[in-house]
Amino acid sequence: GENVEQHPSTLSVQEGDSAVIKCTYSDSASNYFPWYKQELGKGPQLIIDIRSNVGEKKDQRIAVTLNKTAKHFSLHITETQPEDSAVYFCAPFIDFGNEKLTFGTGTRLTIIP
Amino acid sequence: DVKVTQSSRYLVKRTGEKVFLECVQDMDHENMFWYRQDPGLGLRLIYFSYDVKMKEKGDIPEGYSVSREKKERFSLILESASTNQTSMYLCASTSDGNGYTFGSGTRLTVV
Repeated sequence: GENVEQHPSTLSVQEGDSAVIKCTYSDSASNYFPWYKQELGKGPQLIIDIRSNVGEKKDQRIAVTLNKTAKHFSLHITETQPEDSAVYFCAPFIDFGNEKLTFGTGTRLTIIP
Repeated sequence: DVKVTQSSRYLVKRTGEKVFLECVQDMDHENMFWYRQDPGLGLRLIYFSYDVKMKEKGDIPEGYSVSREKKERFSLILESASTNQTSMYLCASTSDGNGYTFGSGTRLTVV
């Protein structure tokens, strides 16, 4: 099965600065790379995803970059705000036919006002 | 918006009780999943289902069973609850090729 690692496990960032979380995976057949955000007391929510035919995707202040050769993808949050404080999970997998996700262990991001 | 609804936010059960956790989704998704989430261990897959009456074991199925009699409903059953099953339980659904939609979770305490 997929072996997924996330780094760092905790991250504290001054409000307004950028945050980057990296996810490394083992299965070179993975072709779908989502990031989930989990706020306190809630279930994870999909915030951005990328497929293997694309190197980068942006949605306002968040972006995901993919390096398939090195088997890692990263979440970038710019101009961080207090509401970005949450736990973030990556979950790379092989799309179409194998919907079973293996989640990273999560990164707790804290935005310092 | 897709909604995944878990019937209870908080549950307290006694050791040995049979426990049912219910999950309903309203977007006709084929695939449904049950995870448990524990500090330091992340999300671990218990069971999943790709279709009605179909079920597959995940990574940690021991002590659990599931039922999917209707497409929109996926139930997790703890046959005889034990204290090591105290956890946050998350249900999710998806259709082919798309990301997961999670419920808000059920925090189960077994005493």
